[in-house]
Amino acid sequence: QQQVKQSPQSLIVQKGGISIINCAYENTAFDYFPWYQQFPGKGPALLIAIRPDVSEKKEGRFTISFNKSAKQFSLHIMDSQPGDSATYFCAASRPGYALNFGKGTSLLVTP
Amino acid sequence: GAVVSQHPSWVICKSGTSVKIECRSLDFQATTMFWYRQFPKQSLMLMATSNEGSKATYEQGVEKDKFLINHASLTLSTLTVTSAHPEDSSFYICSARDPGRNTDTQYFGPGTRLTVL
Repeated sequence: QQQVKQSPQSLIVQKGGISIINCAYENTAFDYFPWYQQFPGKGPALLIAIRPDVSEKKEGRFTISFNKSAKQFSLHIMDSQPGDSATYFCAASRPGYALNFGKGTSLLVTP
Repeated sequence: GAVVSQHPSWVICKSGTSVKIECRSLDFQATTMFWYRQFPKQSLMLMATSNEGSKATYEQGVEKDKFLINHASLTLSTLTVTSAHPEDSSFYICSARDPGRNTDTQYFGPGTRLTVL
């Protein structure tokens, strides 16, 4: 079963807008929550990651918001650019185990 | 830093043949590597976890006799698809953890596109 649920499946945002992708999890043993960006035919690249003791983390235009009580976390891409058009995956893992990925969100940023 | 490479980047083979894919950590030693498979427009599916010097741990539903994994050194893991069939055509991606940097972060290789005719 999908341990990490991601939405929306696809997203279209105008250049300069904010892209928001949401994920939810059930396993409270998860303690590491990264976001990956993947371009067609390439491997995923780590964007940003957060741990449950922090509610928000920002790196450049990318921000993760984390709600431990709701078991949800989200990725915000500020000032979205056409070059941000890619597939984004949220993931979660517990210590010593592999990442569990969401199903992915295909983001298209229009000029 | 934390670069993972894969070779080859793409391979086409005939049905029934075996194909080996290499995964290398270029600037760190990886005690643990992971192999994923990704079908078009789908997420990454974990196939197995590979620990240096020991047998790989396969996920449920993954045939260990078909997907042979060897992690003979701290910088190299190989995946061999034995007797490949068209349904094995997929994008295979490895990842590795750098225990000296962050024990949770997985760094991914660029992937290998396998096409079985």
